[in-house]
Amino acid sequence: AQKVTQAQTEISVVEKEDVTLDCVYETRDTTYYLFWYKQPPSGELVFLIRRNSFDEQNEISGRYSWNFQKSTSSFNFTITASQVVDSAVYFCALRKLTGGGNKLTFGTGTQLKVEL
Amino acid sequence: GAVVSQHPSRVICKSGTSVKIECRSLDFQATTMFWYRQFPKQSLMLMATSNEGSKATYEQGVEKDKFLINHASLTLSTLTVTSAHPEDSSFYICSAATSGGPKGSETQYFGPGTRLLVL
Repeated sequence: AQKVTQAQTEISVVEKEDVTLDCVYETRDTTYYLFWYKQPPSGELVFLIRRNSFDEQNEISGRYSWNFQKSTSSFNFTITASQVVDSAVYFCALRKLTGGGNKLTFGTGTQLKVEL
Repeated sequence: GAVVSQHPSRVICKSGTSVKIECRSLDFQATTMFWYRQFPKQSLMLMATSNEGSKATYEQGVEKDKFLINHASLTLSTLTVTSAHPEDSSFYICSAATSGGPKGSETQYFGPGTRLLVL
């Protein structure tokens, strides 16, 4: 069975602070995909990143960066110099590489509040 | 690219009526679409997987006669909540998986969601 744990239910930071959202996953598969999605108050889930389990290189996209550590089964997400517009619920998700019907296993989400 | 639309965005209906929600992939063809339900401050719960031209696969505990899914084309899937009751009030989100790349490389893109309130 697959499981994704986002232990941080809610995080509050002041604008311009850096913040890291944790994601720990469990799977018996040796190959899989990991995802992060952002859900702003409007409700729509916005795709942020997909990472293949073969590739442990960290990735940076603007103020966003992701740290994939296969040894600890973690896929943490860092926002640098946070902004009010970053306020949202962030979901980490896991999917088998093949088979499984393309189903995503979601974590419970982390509510990020960025205040002025 | 990879835009998914949902209609309506919000609907209020009386108990006992049926409500249809449309999900469209606007700029790509989706072999698979998914329907989720989300309660306030909770994660997404997968209801069913919809493949074009075939019957939907429902998750355990989801009533297929209650939540009718039709995937008529590679760009359109519909969810009909039949004989809606107040407990069906929720946020319903669809997603569409892109195809065309290597098998297993599909990414799900989500629609903006539909807020259903049953009075």
